[in-house]
Amino acid sequence: SQELEQSPQSLIVQEGKNLTINCTSSKTLYGLYWYKQKYGEGLIFLMMLQKGGEEKSHEKITAKLDEKKQQSSLHITASQPSHAGIYLCGADILTQGGSEKLVFGKGTKLTVNP
Amino acid sequence: KAGVTQTPRYLIKTRGQQVTLSCSPISGHRSVSWYQQTPGQGLQFLFEYFSETQRNKGNFPGRFSGRQFSNSRSEMNVSTLELGDSALYLCASSIRSGTQPQHFGDGTRLSIL
Repeated sequence: SQELEQSPQSLIVQEGKNLTINCTSSKTLYGLYWYKQKYGEGLIFLMMLQKGGEEKSHEKITAKLDEKKQQSSLHITASQPSHAGIYLCGADILTQGGSEKLVFGKGTKLTVNP
Repeated sequence: KAGVTQTPRYLIKTRGQQVTLSCSPISGHRSVSWYQQTPGQGLQFLFEYFSETQRNKGNFPGRFSGRQFSNSRSEMNVSTLELGDSALYLCASSIRSGTQPQHFGDGTRLSIL
């Protein structure tokens, strides 16, 4: 089963509209990361959240980690065509061996129509 | 500061062949992780190398292997290629193992015919 669930899978909005992408885990999140990916390219780091209730903003993008640290949301205000891409959340999980690895949700494809 | 560099960018192989992909991390980064990205499974962790040692491994068959050199550059090898190995292979580096954020290269798109 997928360790991180993202919703929605895809999103089409009109330029200027606000939108929210969610990332949910069944386990406590110790580190939650948001990345953006253009098709066929690498991931661009957006933000990292570690504390319950933490909220960070960069330009028109705001990410929050809920108090129970099992869900994060990414909010874009007044979307622009440059925001289009695939947004992925990633989280640190503990492996059976006790080390950490980074797992990802399947991504949310965002299209912004001018 | 140069980013993570992956070579080649595109590769076409046939079933049964083997392939080696290369990743040069950001200068000063000693941890390199490899991921496989497909439309169906999304981004999946392959393995991580730190100081020339494999620190962690995902759930992939033994056909997938890797190594890291003393200059932190890493290679990934896939033997006996299968059609299902067609994917975008991404490499990411970080200063040390377990540190975030990871910085990603643009990937190698591998197509198996």
